[in-house]
Order: sequence, then structure tokens, then C-alpha cells
Amino acid sequence: DVKVTQSSRYLVKRTGEKVFLECVQDMDHENMFWYRQDPGLGLRLIYFSYDVKMKEKGDIPEGYSVSREKKERFSLILESASTNQTSMYLCASSPRGTGERNTIYFGEGSWLTVV
Amino acid sequence: SQKIEQNSEALNIQEGKTATLTCNYTNYSPAYLQWYRQDPGRGPVFLLLIRENEKEKRKERLKVTFDTTLKQSLFHITASQPADSATYLCALGSQYSSASKIIFGSGTRLSIRP
Repeated sequence: DVKVTQSSRYLVKRTGEKVFLECVQDMDHENMFWYRQDPGLGLRLIYFSYDVKMKEKGDIPEGYSVSREKKERFSLILESASTNQTSMYLCASSPRGTGERNTIYFGEGSWLTVV
Repeated sequence: SQKIEQNSEALNIQEGKTATLTCNYTNYSPAYLQWYRQDPGRGPVFLLLIRENEKEKRKERLKVTFDTTLKQSLFHITASQPADSATYLCALGSQYSSASKIIFGSGTRLSIRP
């Protein structure tokens, strides 16, 4: 069964803290993603990685960075957390390719509250 | 720019009826549409994909249609059950682009009352 695992379900961090969100997939997928989901705004792509050490900015990369040192692992880093980064963060993966191969498999989500 | 809209933020229907959710898009061709289900506090789960050259696709009680003239997809759940209550997301992609270019609607929250 396809599995994307996010290490933390619920986090509370202080403004200015550095925050790490970790994600692991067991499907040998080339593509990995970090989205954030906010009410009324839907899913917004923060960063995308198509291979180890390769990354592309998504729609809202400001205030975030990512790391992909191994194929199965993709980390999202909030360099200095701010209250407007309070959100649900979703990690996802998909196989490489275009068209119908682009089914996206999501993790369970990480709820981050910045106080 | 590409745009995808799910017209209803919330839909409330009686158990046993057919639920119909709408997804409209602009400025995207060729295309496929995906539908995902998201339960509260969980990540979305893929349900169905329909290509632009397909009119209809079915999976058990689910049916998806794709009208390229109207640039619209309809998602139907027949014989709806309370367990079908969830938020349903549509997502639009191109045949020639990677998954990073998929754009998601903001979802329709479906409630099935007994």
C-alpha cells in the first residue's frame, strides 16, 4: 500500500523558531511536494522536488526552504516561523512523468501553530 | 492564467439521493481532471481521473463527466450514504506537464444527512 508519512501531526512553535517538517515515502517516487492548506484558499504548492537534491519553487516559497538528500525523504524548513505560517502542511509524492502518471499521494498532514 | 473553481463551498443532501459536485476551469488545454476525497484532519485521497477526450468515467457509485465545451466536470455520488460525507477536491493537470503544475480547487464540503 502506498504510504507517505509525515513525522509530526501537531506542532506548536514560537515566533522566530526554526521548524523542521519531515516526510518519508515508501513508493520509490521521484517527485515529492510540500503544500499548505488554508480554509478558502485550497492547496498551495510551496516546493517541489523531482530528484535527489533537485527542487523547484512553487507558488508560495517565501519563508520556506526544503532539503532532499535521499530519494524517500523530503524536509520542509521554516527558517524563522511567523504566525502567518500557522497552517496545515501536506507532504505528497508522485511518480515521474506527465499526464495520468501524475496521481498524487498525500500524507496525513502536519498541523502547525505558531504562537 | 489557469483557474479552477468549485462552485459550492458546501452541499447538504439527504441520504440515498445523488450528490452532484461541480468543477469549472479556464485557460487549460489539453487537460485531465482528478477528483480527491479529504476527510477532516486528513490528507486528500485520489478517487478518479478523467481525460479530456473521455465523456464519462465510473467507479462503483461514483461517476465523473467532462464537458470540454463548458470546461466543466461533474462528480456524482449515487445512493449517497453518511459515510460519503467529506470534502471533495478537483484538480486540473495537463498531459504535457509534470505533477507540480497540477492546480487544485478549494473543495466542496459534502454532508449526507441520515
